[in-house]
Amino acid sequence: EVQLMESGGDLVQPGGSLRLSCAASGFTFSNYNMNWVRQAPGKGLEWLSYIGSASSTIFYADSVKGRFTISRDNGKNSLFLQMNSLRDEDTAVYYCARALQGYRYGRGGMDVWGQGTTVTVSS
Amino acid sequence: DIQMTQSPSSLSASVGDRVTITCRASQSISNYLNWYQQEPRKAPKLLIYGAFSLQSGVPSRFSGSGSGTDFTLTISSLQPEDFATYYCQQTDSTPYTFGQGTKLEIK
Repeated sequence: EVQLMESGGDLVQPGGSLRLSCAASGFTFSNYNMNWVRQAPGKGLEWLSYIGSASSTIFYADSVKGRFTISRDNGKNSLFLQMNSLRDEDTAVYYCARALQGYRYGRGGMDVWGQGTTVTVSS
Repeated sequence: DIQMTQSPSSLSASVGDRVTITCRASQSISNYLNWYQQEPRKAPKLLIYGAFSLQSGVPSRFSGSGSGTDFTLTISSLQPEDFATYYCQQTDSTPYTFGQGTKLEIK
C-alpha cells in the first residue's frame, strides 16, 4: 500500500524549532518529487515547499522562506521539514504530499497525502 | 503570487443534484489547475489534475474544465459521500496557491 506518515509535530514556544519527518512506503520514493502543505485550524490549505527527487530543485512559499528547510533522504525513504524561528501563525496540521508523476516541478498536483502532524506554537 | 478565488464559498445541495464550483486565477495559468476534496479531519484527496484529467480511482461523476483563468469542477449527480470541502490549486508557478475552499453541505 502506498503510504506517507508524518511525525514530529509538537507544542513549541515562539522562536523555537522543530523537525518534521515523513516516512514513505509502498512506492519507490527516490523517483518522486515531494511537497509540504499545511492547514491552520479552521482554515484552508497552504502549499509550503517542494523538493525534486534528487534534491536539485527546491521551492518555498514566502511565508516560510529563510525559516524552513526541506530535505530528503532517499536511502531512508524519508522527507523532512526543519522549522526554525517558529511563530504563532505557524500553528497548523502539516502534511507531506507526493507530487503526481509526469509533471516537472510538481505541476501536476499531489496524489498521495499523509495523515498530517500537528504543530502548535504557543507560549 | 497568483491568487485563486473560488465561488461559492459554501453551497447547499441535495443528493442527485448537479453542482458546479468555479475557480478563477488572477492571471493565466494555462491548464495547471488541480482540484481536491477534503472531508473533515482527513487529508485532501486529488480529484482532477491538469484542469480536466480525472485522477485514477475518482468516480466519473466528477469532471473539470477550463483554461487560462476560469475553471470549473462539476459533480454530475451528488452522492452522500461528496459532501465535503473542495479546493482548487494552481501549479503554474510557485508559490502553488490554493483557493479558499468551497464547503458543500447537505440541503
